[in-house]
Amino acid sequence: DADVTQTPRNRITKTGKRIMLECSQTKGHDRMYWYRQDPGLGLRLIYYSFDVKDINKGEISDGYSVSRQAQAKFSLSLESAIPNQTALYFCATSDPSRGNNEKLFFGSGTQLSVL
Amino acid sequence: AQKITQTQPGMFVQEKEAVTLDCTYDTSDPSYGLFWYKQPSSGEMIFLIYQGSYDQQNATEGRYSLNFQKARKSANLVISASQLGDSAMYFCAMRFTGGGNKLTFGTGTQLKVEL
Repeated sequence: DADVTQTPRNRITKTGKRIMLECSQTKGHDRMYWYRQDPGLGLRLIYYSFDVKDINKGEISDGYSVSRQAQAKFSLSLESAIPNQTALYFCATSDPSRGNNEKLFFGSGTQLSVL
Repeated sequence: AQKITQTQPGMFVQEKEAVTLDCTYDTSDPSYGLFWYKQPSSGEMIFLIYQGSYDQQNATEGRYSLNFQKARKSANLVISASQLGDSAMYFCAMRFTGGGNKLTFGTGTQLKVEL
């Protein structure tokens, strides 16, 4: 079983639609993240949360919102999807007890296409 | 501003040869961590290797080693004895202690291993 599970794996939607991407984890980590990957741009941070009551914007948060429903669940919403939000989205977790060696554990990704 | 740079969009290597993937970074923070991830065509993100800024020795993990040159601010990944399965996208990433403990990624290098 995957430690970090993203649903759905693939999604096609239309411009203007609201869409939610979900992430759940069984690793017991407090820290969770949402990244998007675009060709030639690497991975860019959208939002992150260091515990249930903590939400922080990343470098590209415009057009997105998040909800940390529980330690294990962190969802990403696109309130009104637009074509340039077409990308591969990753959820990730980390364990802060590792200090600088705080690597990310990634889900399998959600490929989102906005038409 | 903290920044991480991968200048090689694509690389080719012959099977069984060694290859070096370049990564440079820019930070004034004395405490940081450097990571390499592999992304095969299937899309998942696989952690390869970690180097701490205070580590005295270069990190090694099997066929992967990190050529860490602190004065030059470089953290190049060396893959020895390349295999066809090494064909993938490779990302360098950095965690800055003073940067909110977020992982910042480079734009990636696409490696193709040829017979």
